[in-house]
Amino acid sequence: QKEVEQNSGPLSVPEGAIASLNCTYSDRGSQSFFWYRQYSGKSPELIMSIYSNGDKEDGRFTAQLNKASQYVSLLIRDSQPSDSATYLCAAMDSNYQLIWGAGTKLIIKP
Amino acid sequence: EAQVTQNPRYLITVTGKKLTVTCSQNMNHEYMSWYRQDPGLGLRQIYYSMNVEVTDKGDVPEGYKVSRKEKRNFPLILESPSPNQTSLYFCASTEGRRGRTGELFFGEGSRLTVL
Repeated sequence: QKEVEQNSGPLSVPEGAIASLNCTYSDRGSQSFFWYRQYSGKSPELIMSIYSNGDKEDGRFTAQLNKASQYVSLLIRDSQPSDSATYLCAAMDSNYQLIWGAGTKLIIKP
Repeated sequence: EAQVTQNPRYLITVTGKKLTVTCSQNMNHEYMSWYRQDPGLGLRQIYYSMNVEVTDKGDVPEGYKVSRKEKRNFPLILESPSPNQTSLYFCASTEGRRGRTGELFFGEGSRLTVL
């Protein structure tokens, strides 16, 4: 059974600090990874995709991929209350199917 | 405006009464998919379509049907809804290039309650 695991949280972070969200995956054949943000009662929204080992930065967001450890993370710098949401991690398996984590709820405290 | 449109957004129905949830995208995307989201279970794929007239089962297809007669539309059909199909449903689409089918655009969701 292919799995993507995330800590459900909630993860509470002070405003202005760095929020670190983590995800592990079981399928070594996975090559592509995605972070989605979902506000309560809303639809998921893609915020980052990462396809190769290392870091990928986009504004305040940095995605990190370590295929050897089968580990993906999302860092949010200068966290804002508007970053409070559930963050979904997804991995694309070798059959091009997305395997979803259950999400981590992030709370940014003013 | 690029968007995925679902209707209805909210629906309360009764067991056994056939219903259709429509999904339409205006981005000329090849790939479309239906998910359901339940508390604690995350997103689970129901059906997906790589292109017109091509559909495949996802992880939880039982009790659902789909069709893809046109590129822009991908309706979800519940022939005989049951209470365990009470859920939040999302339609999603993407260009469909290999390896990029993870970059999904989601509709606003349809909250379905089956009594």
